[in-house]
Amino acid sequence: AQTVTQSQPEMSVQEAETVTLSCTYDTSESDYYLFWYKQPPSRQMILVIRQEAYKQQNATENRFSVNFQKAAKSFSLKISDSQLGDAAMYFCAYIPNTGNQFYFGTGTSLTVIP
Amino acid sequence: DSGVTQTPKHLITATGQRVTLRCSPRSGDLSVYWYQQSLDQGLQFLIQYYNGEERAKGNILERFSAQQFPDLHSELNLSSLELGDSALYFCASSADRGLLADTQYFGPGTRLTVL
Repeated sequence: AQTVTQSQPEMSVQEAETVTLSCTYDTSESDYYLFWYKQPPSRQMILVIRQEAYKQQNATENRFSVNFQKAAKSFSLKISDSQLGDAAMYFCAYIPNTGNQFYFGTGTSLTVIP
Repeated sequence: DSGVTQTPKHLITATGQRVTLRCSPRSGDLSVYWYQQSLDQGLQFLIQYYNGEERAKGNILERFSAQQFPDLHSELNLSSLELGDSALYFCASSADRGLLADTQYFGPGTRLTVL
């Protein structure tokens, strides 16, 4: 079975500090994609970052970076220099390379404290 | 702006009624996905269409159906509505060249309220 687990329902971070959100997944596939999506109060789903499983290098997008550990099936998101606008629900998602369905985690609600 | 559009933004209707949600994918994207997000819950995959044909089905009720038209826009039809169908319905599109998966870009969602 392919599952995505986010074990932190809620997290908080002080403005300008760094926070790491955790995600683990279970799959027997060797080639797949992993994503982090952000859902602010507007409820829009916004792509934050994407990682291809065949790439050893961790993806980075400005203040957002991932720690991808393929053997451990772990995919954490690090947000540096946190800003008030980063406050949102964050979803981890997985899709096999030849798959059709995204598998989403249950989300982590991030609060940024001024 | 993801490039994916959904109409209407809000829909309020009564139990037993039928509604149609519309989605236009990003220019050039062949795949359309539909998801349901109930209050305080994650996203549940409903169905996927690729270039006009159904490709994958998730937890979609028999009362729900979808189609993708030649211009690649898609409609999700919900009938015999129940209170529990109240949710945010997302459409997402991706390029999905051939059988290979690709990044999904989400529309703003349609908020359905069943009274």
